[in-house]
Amino acid sequence: GAGVSQSPSNKVTEKGKDVELRCDPISGHTALYWYRQSLGQGLEFLIYFQGNSAPDKSGLPSDRFSAERTGGSVSTLTIQRTQQEDSAVYLCASSLATTTYEQYFGPGTRLTVT
Amino acid sequence: GDSVTQMEGPVTLSEEAFLTINCTYTATGYPSLFWYVQYPGEGLQLLLKATKADDKGSNKGFEATYRKETTSFHLEKGSVQVSDSAVYFCALSDIGGSNYKLTFGKGTLLTVNP
Repeated sequence: GAGVSQSPSNKVTEKGKDVELRCDPISGHTALYWYRQSLGQGLEFLIYFQGNSAPDKSGLPSDRFSAERTGGSVSTLTIQRTQQEDSAVYLCASSLATTTYEQYFGPGTRLTVT
Repeated sequence: GDSVTQMEGPVTLSEEAFLTINCTYTATGYPSLFWYVQYPGEGLQLLLKATKADDKGSNKGFEATYRKETTSFHLEKGSVQVSDSAVYFCALSDIGGSNYKLTFGKGTLLTVNP
């Protein structure tokens, strides 16, 4: 079946602009995660959604970052007023339930802030 | 907080050589442990997992044993192939936490030469 998809695959933006990154999880997966992969910091957790519960935003690096998940499916990560340090690969993952530890990752969106 | 430390790369081996990538962890609870692999140009894939002490995860000839006494989860393969060239990430998920986010090591680049 279809895996996790993310769009766009690449995004180049100017410093100060807002960007939106999209994630389509595997159908039926109730848990959704966003991570960031950068050279300096490695792979970092950003935010977690589970069903209709309030998201766990404990990994978001600043208030310029926000995310939503509509209808328990598609998620959008928004970065406002982008900075050069936001340049990274943003990865989305989904899992069937919180008791299933296997997270399935999308191919990522490579964000470059110039 | 939780953390994962894995051996620095890059690691370069000849085909059919023995591979070990060391991984140790610190966790407040009783974590599940994982190895993820990222092949060139592809997304993260789960390679193997272990959810309790002394469990051995295995897949594609790779093995890792959950050692609670040494807080380790070293990855091994008896005979590597060129197709194993990838970045390998050790990770943990602390089931005592509020979500099942993954905490990753910084990754080890493996190159296997013919």
